Amino acid sequence: NAGVTQTPKFQVLKTGQSMTLQCAQDMNHEYMSWYRQDPGMGLRLIHYSVGAGITDQGEVPNGYNVSRSTTEDFPLRLLSAAPSQTSVYFCASRFSGGYNEQFFGPGTRLTVL
Amino acid sequence: KQEVTQIPAALSVPEGENLVLNCSFTDSAIYNLQWFRQDPGKGLTSLLLIQSSQREQTSGRLNASLDKSSGRSTLYIAASQPGDSATYLCAVEVGGSARQLTFGSGTQLTVLP
Repeated sequence: NAGVTQTPKFQVLKTGQSMTLQCAQDMNHEYMSWYRQDPGMGLRLIHYSVGAGITDQGEVPNGYNVSRSTTEDFPLRLLSAAPSQTSVYFCASRFSGGYNEQFFGPGTRLTVL
Repeated sequence: KQEVTQIPAALSVPEGENLVLNCSFTDSAIYNLQWFRQDPGKGLTSLLLIQSSQREQTSGRLNASLDKSSGRSTLYIAASQPGDSATYLCAVEVGGSARQLTFGSGTQLTVLP
């Protein structure tokens, strides 16, 4: 199993540009989520999905969109990038229900100029 | 709002020493608690997950304890090795559909040869 994969690893954007961060998992996990990691603030939940076709907002959703058309993929879209979105983005997945650990991808380091 | 604190922020120990990392949380109504390891520029690796009804979990040289009533968890690392050098993150999960993880800021551990 490849686990949770993310592309790209690094990205530099200009203010106002849009882009999509890709996330895929091959463990047949129902639950997927996106976090951002900022110095001094820990990891914060952006959006999550409990299954294909179902998404919801987390703690810091503004400026981001998600969709979940398949179990495997959960892309994160930045509509109009802002310098405040400079961060490291992590995708995670797990089985729903019960006490299941979360698996994280390697992260995407995004810089918005 | 759940808050997670990890003390100390950084720790340096000689190889072979046993050590304890601390994690505290403000709301005892948690679903589970998970310890992660993060290497520089990498994603998060799950180390141990403790269910809310459990007191401790062990994996190799690692032992994690949970005291829900006092809002505390400890990660004990026996016979530390230079390869244990990393940042250790504690995260608590609350119930509900989001199953959001609330993270501490981490303890950066350096094990000196």
